[in-house]
Amino acid sequence: QKEVEQNSGPLSVPEGAIASLNCTYSDRGSQSFFWYRQYSGKSPELIMSIYSNGDKEDGRFTAQLNKASQYVSLLIRDSQPSDSATYLCAAAGGTSYGKLTFGQGTILTVHP
Amino acid sequence: GAVVSQHPSWVICKSGTSVKIECRSLDFQATTMFWYRQFPKQSLMLMATSNEGSKATYEQGVEKDKFLINHASLTLSTLTVTSAHPEDSSFYICSARVAGGNEKLFFGSGTQLSVL
Repeated sequence: QKEVEQNSGPLSVPEGAIASLNCTYSDRGSQSFFWYRQYSGKSPELIMSIYSNGDKEDGRFTAQLNKASQYVSLLIRDSQPSDSATYLCAAAGGTSYGKLTFGQGTILTVHP
Repeated sequence: GAVVSQHPSWVICKSGTSVKIECRSLDFQATTMFWYRQFPKQSLMLMATSNEGSKATYEQGVEKDKFLINHASLTLSTLTVTSAHPEDSSFYICSARVAGGNEKLFFGSGTQLSVL
């Protein structure tokens, strides 16, 4: 079983719609969760971090964490073509303290 | 956010040669840096954890004699791919964690290595 698993995608949404990206993790001791955006040929860029249950909003992005269900999600409101990228979910803490474990990524395409 | 500089951005080398990749934290001190490798359409795989002033910790399956890591100062870590072969061709990315930053990682721009 993968330690961090994302919905495989690819995900395609029209411009202006809400894009929903999902992630589950297996290490119940994980404490910190991150969403990174990666454009083709580039390194990942941190978008959001979340550490406690509930929602965290930053501009058009909302991260949601449910530790009981071991589930993390990222919502992108008013999606723009520039949001088209691979989104990586990562978890830290637990048995892999100090190291991030990444999911396989979800490719998002926002079409005009 | 914190800035991590990595270079070269890309390198092409002949099989059997060695390649050194540098990773610098520009505006903060990084006692720990991480080296990842990413193959096309795959996620990042942690290769090793680089600790300033001590030996690196390698992940299972990563050859420490092939991927030499040196973390000589609080702002510089280097990865040397020794005797590179075509199967080592990949995107190598370093990252650094800001002290007290709740395990947030900031990434260098990556190095695309192509071994002919």
